Amino acid sequence: GAGVSQSPSNKVTEKGKDVELRCDPISGHTALYWYRQSLGQGLEFLIYFQGNSAPDKSGLPSDRFSAERTGGSVSTLTIQRTQQEDSAVYLCASSLGLAGGPGEQFFGPGTRLTVL
Amino acid sequence: QKEVEQDPGPLSVPEGAIVSLNCTYSNSAFQYFMWYRQYSRKGPELLMYTYSSGNKEDGRFTAQVDKSSKYISLFIRDSQPSDSATYLCAMFTNAGKSTFGDGTTLTVKP
Repeated sequence: GAGVSQSPSNKVTEKGKDVELRCDPISGHTALYWYRQSLGQGLEFLIYFQGNSAPDKSGLPSDRFSAERTGGSVSTLTIQRTQQEDSAVYLCASSLGLAGGPGEQFFGPGTRLTVL
Repeated sequence: QKEVEQDPGPLSVPEGAIVSLNCTYSNSAFQYFMWYRQYSRKGPELLMYTYSSGNKEDGRFTAQVDKSSKYISLFIRDSQPSDSATYLCAMFTNAGKSTFGDGTTLTVKP
């Protein structure tokens, strides 16, 4: 693909429901990152994957958040029992990997999550 | 105290002005320093990437890193209306953990 894609682009859900967000990284990119961006704020780091493993899960806000990556490609971010404070844009980025540094991250367009 | 503090702005400058954007940080584990530009309702795009103290130039953009002072800057020369966007500084550790500034919104008026 031409770039990082994310789906859905918009998601409106009711408080207490579970949601699943998907990220398709650029083919061949081994590193994948999830961020959250609230209105007018910078990016909040959630988690990153190197291949299928996640060396650092410390950014996940609570145990309602989980993420997985299979086949070194697609990743899903799951939020269980959503709360209104989870409303934000969830951004995914990928890069070639960490050898010699994180390298250039390419961002997807984001998923705008609204919890009513 | 936040690990990364970015001058909040917003900034409004006339076309052709020199713009200075700044961030300070407290975590000495940060080794890689980046500047991103983000247009409204879009994902960030990388402008500059560096890992050592000093200056790096790319066209009208110059990134400056001072690790001893834990301070980074982005300079934009001959600013254009198309430069109007939110600029985010970002820092990475060797372990891949990243921290972003809250962003500075820049408006360049024709």
